[in-house]
Amino acid sequence: ILNVEQSPQSLHVQEGDSTNFTCSFPSSNFYALHWYRWETAKSPEALFVMTLNGDEKKKGQISATLNTKEGYSYLYIKGSQPEDSATYLCAFTGGTSYGKLTFGQGTILTVHP
Amino acid sequence: DVKVTQSSRYLVKRTGEKVFLECVQDMDHENMFWYRQDPGLGLRLIYFSYDVKMKEKGDIPEGYSVSREKKERFSLILESASTNQTSMYLCASSVGGEGNQPQHFGDGTRLSIL
Repeated sequence: ILNVEQSPQSLHVQEGDSTNFTCSFPSSNFYALHWYRWETAKSPEALFVMTLNGDEKKKGQISATLNTKEGYSYLYIKGSQPEDSATYLCAFTGGTSYGKLTFGQGTILTVHP
Repeated sequence: DVKVTQSSRYLVKRTGEKVFLECVQDMDHENMFWYRQDPGLGLRLIYFSYDVKMKEKGDIPEGYSVSREKKERFSLILESASTNQTSMYLCASSVGGEGNQPQHFGDGTRLSIL
């Protein structure tokens, strides 16, 4: 079983704070790294799919970077809002796996007003 | 928009029962997946399917089976439910390929086995 680790496990920040979390994954046989946001009582929603070393993706105030050589990705949220409160999941896939993902355990973000 | 629909949001069953969880997607996706989510463990893959009648074991297939008779429908079966199968179950689908397409998830079924 592949090892995908996320840190921290949980994070409490104040509204307006910027924050970041880490996903580490196997650096060999890399194909893609996914980020999802999972809000309470909703379904997980895809944020980014990243495939190239050095890739940077941005969606509103959320951005992500990818380092495939050392096996990590960072997710940044600039100026957190209470509606950013969610569990953020990363998932790794190697090649020839029919889209099968291995997920990290998630980072639970709580943004206090 | 892709729609992935799971048949029940909440389900309560008894130990030893055979339990069926149904999932339907409306975007003609080749790949479909079943996960369970437990506190502190993230999403763990139970089974997946990359085509009709094709299935592959995920990381935790014991005690489960699946069926994919039609492209849009992927069923998870608990052959003889046990209390350690109490969990949140999520279905997902994606375009065929090797993983550079996002997965689209249903709302989940919270299953309690008494």
